[in-house]
Amino acid sequence: GAVVSQHPSRVICKSGTSVKIECRSLDFQATTMFWYRQFPKQSLMLMATSNEGSKATYEQGVEKDKFLINHASLTLSTLTVTSAHPEDSSFYICSATLFTPNYGYTFGSGTRLTVV
Amino acid sequence: AQSVTQLGSHVSVSEGALVLLRCNYSSSVPPYLFWYVQYPNQGLQLLLKYTSAATLVKGINGFEAEFKKSETSFHLTKPSAHMSDAAEYFCAVINTGNQFYFGTGTSLTVIP
Repeated sequence: GAVVSQHPSRVICKSGTSVKIECRSLDFQATTMFWYRQFPKQSLMLMATSNEGSKATYEQGVEKDKFLINHASLTLSTLTVTSAHPEDSSFYICSATLFTPNYGYTFGSGTRLTVV
Repeated sequence: AQSVTQLGSHVSVSEGALVLLRCNYSSSVPPYLFWYVQYPNQGLQLLLKYTSAATLVKGINGFEAEFKKSETSFHLTKPSAHMSDAAEYFCAVINTGNQFYFGTGTSLTVIP
C-alpha cells in the first residue's frame, strides 16, 4: 500500500532558527503533496499544496515566505519553517495521493514542532 | 465549496455501549467523505471512506458509517465500544483538488 514517511517526528528549536520537515512517498510517486497544521486540541488545517516542479499554492493567511515548500522530486516534499517563533509550535502533517481505484490518500505520521 | 461539521466535541460512552459520532457535510457535488482516527501525538489513521459506491461503508476496528444524502450526514458508529477506541476522530471531505477539509474533531472517551 501507499506509505508516506515524515521526518523528524519531533523537533525542538530555538526562536529565530529554521527547521526543515521532510515528507517522502516511499512506494509511489506523488506529483502533489499537501501540508496541514494542527494546533493543540484543534482540527487540521490545510496550509499549502505542494506541486512537483512548480511553486506551492498556499491557503489564505499562510505566509509563504515563512513556510517554504520545496517539491523537487516525485517522492519528496519539504516544509521549512523559517525564523521560527513560539507561535509556530504545532503539529505538522503531510499527505500524498495515490490515484487507485480505491482513491487512496495517505498521511504522514506528523512532526511535533516546539519552538522555545 | 465542501465542508463538514462534527456535532459534539466530546463524547463519552461506557465500554460495550454503542458509539455514535456525528458528521454532516455540505457539498455542491457528490462528496467523497472520510473518517480518520488520531491517537495522542500521532498521525491520522483512515477508518473508512465513502467514494459514491455503497452507502453503508464498513471500516477497520468494527466501525462503519452510512452516507445519507437526504440528511447530508455521514455518522460513524460502532456497536460496542472498547477501551482502545478512546481517541480523537475527524470527519473530512475532499475537494476536486484532492485537498482535505476536516471537521473540528470529536474526542471519544470510553468509561470502564
